[in-house]
Amino acid sequence: QVQLQESGPGLVKASETLSLTCVVFGSSVNTGYYWGWIRQPPGKGLEWIASLYPSGTTYYNPSLKSRVTMSLDATKNHLSLSVTSLTAADTAVYFCARADVTLDGFPFALWGRGTPVTVSS
Amino acid sequence: EIVMTQSPATLSVSPGERVTLSCRASQSVSNTFAWYQHRPGQAPRLLIYGASTRASGIPARFSGSGSGTEFTLTISSLQSEDFAVYYCQHYHNRPPSWTFGQGTKVE
Repeated sequence: QVQLQESGPGLVKASETLSLTCVVFGSSVNTGYYWGWIRQPPGKGLEWIASLYPSGTTYYNPSLKSRVTMSLDATKNHLSLSVTSLTAADTAVYFCARADVTLDGFPFALWGRGTPVTVSS
Repeated sequence: EIVMTQSPATLSVSPGERVTLSCRASQSVSNTFAWYQHRPGQAPRLLIYGASTRASGIPARFSGSGSGTEFTLTISSLQSEDFAVYYCQHYHNRPPSWTFGQGTKVE
């Protein structure tokens, strides 16, 4: 059974850089799926941040593109997300997910439980 | 940029009732459309993809329909475990991007 487990610092300061990790259990990250990060600010809906296809291009939400980097480490079998120049608006639960390219519309069929991040001033 | 608008924001219902959730796209979109269920503290769960196909393991009481700019998720008879927030999501392939609605809370 494939599982995703996110981890992060929990609390970070404004203007600093956030680094998150998603470890993949039960499958290789080098399989033919899109991997993605999605976040949910308090009291708000889901927001797609970025997606990556192994051996391919990384795609970013245009509203976040200038501050976000997503990468994959096959040796550690994990994904990473970096967000720079943090503000309070980046406070959210951050989810790692896998989009299934065998399903119509490449939906996110597998999700982690998320890791909360609070940006303090 | 395509915007997905869900209505209503909150829906108060009782177990056994039929529930209809709506999602409207700001412009006509393809049927690369999905619905998710999200309970507090849990991972979101894929319910419907391709606008109308139930994901693996999803009960038959969940159904999706629609095309163009109007999409609907129907729960035929609400069960206690169905109280959650529901999100619609559209996939655009050039370049790849995933856009979510703001969610409907079923309480």
